[in-house]
Amino acid sequence: EPEVTQTPSHQVTQMGQEVILRCVPISNHLYFYWYRQILGQKVEFLVSFYNNEISEKSEIFDDQFSVERPDGSNFTLKIRSTKLEDSAMYFCASIRTANTEAFFGQGTRLTVV
Amino acid sequence: AQSVTQLDSQVSVFEEAPVELRCNYSSSVSVYLFWYVQYPNQGLQLLLKYLSGSTLVKGINGFEAEFNKSQTSFHLRKPSVHISDTAEYFCAVSLFRGYNKLIFGAGTRLAVHP
Repeated sequence: EPEVTQTPSHQVTQMGQEVILRCVPISNHLYFYWYRQILGQKVEFLVSFYNNEISEKSEIFDDQFSVERPDGSNFTLKIRSTKLEDSAMYFCASIRTANTEAFFGQGTRLTVV
Repeated sequence: AQSVTQLDSQVSVFEEAPVELRCNYSSSVSVYLFWYVQYPNQGLQLLLKYLSGSTLVKGINGFEAEFNKSQTSFHLRKPSVHISDTAEYFCAVSLFRGYNKLIFGAGTRLAVHP
């Protein structure tokens, strides 16, 4: 069964460092998303990406964040200068067409020290 | 703006007992409704969804949910739970229009005891 894969599963980084979280969505999917879940809190939408551009982003997704689909299969989330409060589980998701269900990856746990 | 409220942060039941996890939503426009499950150290897996049609929807693992438009609720039920149902359950909505971002509730942690 096709699935969304995320790497790494866990990343520890020092405050101020750049991190790149990687995702490989399901191959025939067209809409891509990043969500995050701070420990003990709800899952929050960060950004959606369609047709090679950001279609929607939340207030959380400030200038420190960027997304890219560099090669038609990977979908990355970059945080330029990490803060302690960026520590969270980050989930990638994809949707085949509009108004269908989202498939989620296993998540990357980011710990900023 | 849309919001989702899961009324119970934790629910504890014995094996083979019935369970109901409650979800209410707020939206001025029509939405799709979803329940996702997260097992320990795993990602989010879709349990069931309501897009249109019958208000009673059946999902995987014996779960079902009923959409009640007048009460803006989408409660999740299972008549007889197993130990393996121990997990966190998230109710979510997305808009009919737009790019289908999901808005999640805070989650309900279900613990099933022998």
